[in-house]
Amino acid sequence: SAVISQKPSRDICQRGTSLTIQCQVDSQVTMMFWYRQQPGQSLTLIATANQGSEATYESGFVIDKFPISRPNLTFSTLTVSNMSPEDSSIYLCSAPGTISSYNEQFFGPGTRLTVL
Amino acid sequence: QKEVEQDPGPLSVPEGAIVSLNCTYSNSAFQYFMWYRQYSRKGPELLMYTYSSGNKEDGRFTAQVDKSSKYISLFIRDSQPSDSATYLCAMSSWGKLQFGAGTQVVVTP
Repeated sequence: SAVISQKPSRDICQRGTSLTIQCQVDSQVTMMFWYRQQPGQSLTLIATANQGSEATYESGFVIDKFPISRPNLTFSTLTVSNMSPEDSSIYLCSAPGTISSYNEQFFGPGTRLTVL
Repeated sequence: QKEVEQDPGPLSVPEGAIVSLNCTYSNSAFQYFMWYRQYSRKGPELLMYTYSSGNKEDGRFTAQVDKSSKYISLFIRDSQPSDSATYLCAMSSWGKLQFGAGTQVVVTP
């Protein structure tokens, strides 16, 4: 399994500002994933972060709004830019249990974001 | 039509009963099937993971996959109040997870 930590655990931000969320995995992995969970909803994939290449975004999510960095095999950041109240959600990162796998995925505790 | 359908519940059962959860899917490209448990204000916890049709057991949990019917199930035996949570099915295609809506389960003492 993989142990995943996220910072911050929660934040309250003002409209128009940006927040960067950090995700740390306890072992090296090729792929990391970022999800959003809106209030009372299930999880939706935002993007896949591969080390050494640009992140790939799902339909409805764009790099200008959710820039992602992946500087090494254990760390990634997601920035939520120019925030509005509609961005209030839980943001979660996930990673597989081994570097050679990508299907058995483990999640971090999430970052609870409230935008005023 | 959503790619993954899951009844959101809530599903209320008495302690000791069997909890039965299921999901259907429409995308034949899904290769791997997972069940997650999510407690309030926590991240999802991986319970079961399988990639072939048939049954897989792990303690009180049994995961069942029927690829021909595009149907997966999770059974929890001898349910406990601590099993009260939201259970999410998830299906993977090249690492990208598609989640069901999640079923809220309440186990009453």
